[in-house]
Amino acid sequence: EVQLLESGGGLVQAGGSLRLSCAVSGFSFSSYAMHWVRQAPGKGLEWVSGINGGGGKTYYADSVKGRFTISRDTSKNTLYLQMSGLRAEDTAVYYCAKDSYLAILRNYFDSWGQGALVTVSS
Amino acid sequence: DIQMTQSPSSLSASVGDRVSITCRASQSIDSYLNWYQQEPGKAPKLLIYTASNLQRGVPSRFRASGSGAIYTLTIDSLQPEDFATYYCQQSFSTPLTFGGGTKVEI
Repeated sequence: EVQLLESGGGLVQAGGSLRLSCAVSGFSFSSYAMHWVRQAPGKGLEWVSGINGGGGKTYYADSVKGRFTISRDTSKNTLYLQMSGLRAEDTAVYYCAKDSYLAILRNYFDSWGQGALVTVSS
Repeated sequence: DIQMTQSPSSLSASVGDRVSITCRASQSIDSYLNWYQQEPGKAPKLLIYTASNLQRGVPSRFRASGSGAIYTLTIDSLQPEDFATYYCQQSFSTPLTFGGGTKVEI
């Protein structure tokens, strides 16, 4: 059974940093691209970042480019999102999502974690 | 960036009704369109991938179609557990983008 478990969320002041982790199990981690998707309170879904299966290609939404860094550690079966320069508008539930393939395009998110809440106070 | 526009943003329906949701992309996305269902307080769940393919375990009352820039999700005979918010998402190009969501209410 595929499982994705986010951790690392919490309350942080504007301008601060936070690192989210997503521990995965039940599939071959290095064979699939992974993503972070967020949802601000009462709002819709927003794709934040994606990384291919090998970890060599990363992609970002313009809203987080230069502030967030996605990475993965195959030895730990864990996906990360390092967030810095946090703003009030980054307040959201952050979901990690498994892609259906090695690359990030032309595919779909077939499994999701339960989400981690990040609150940025101004 | 490809903009995804869903309509309606909300709808009211009854158990047993047939409902349809439309998703329009700002350009052709070559059927790289996925649909997700999100119940309140829960993570999204994949329903349909690549425009019309039903994800394993999803009831057959969910069906979808479309091509180019216009896609439709239809739920035949709405069930109580179907009252949720539905999102379309394009995977044709980065940044990957979602529609604004359609809330299906009683």
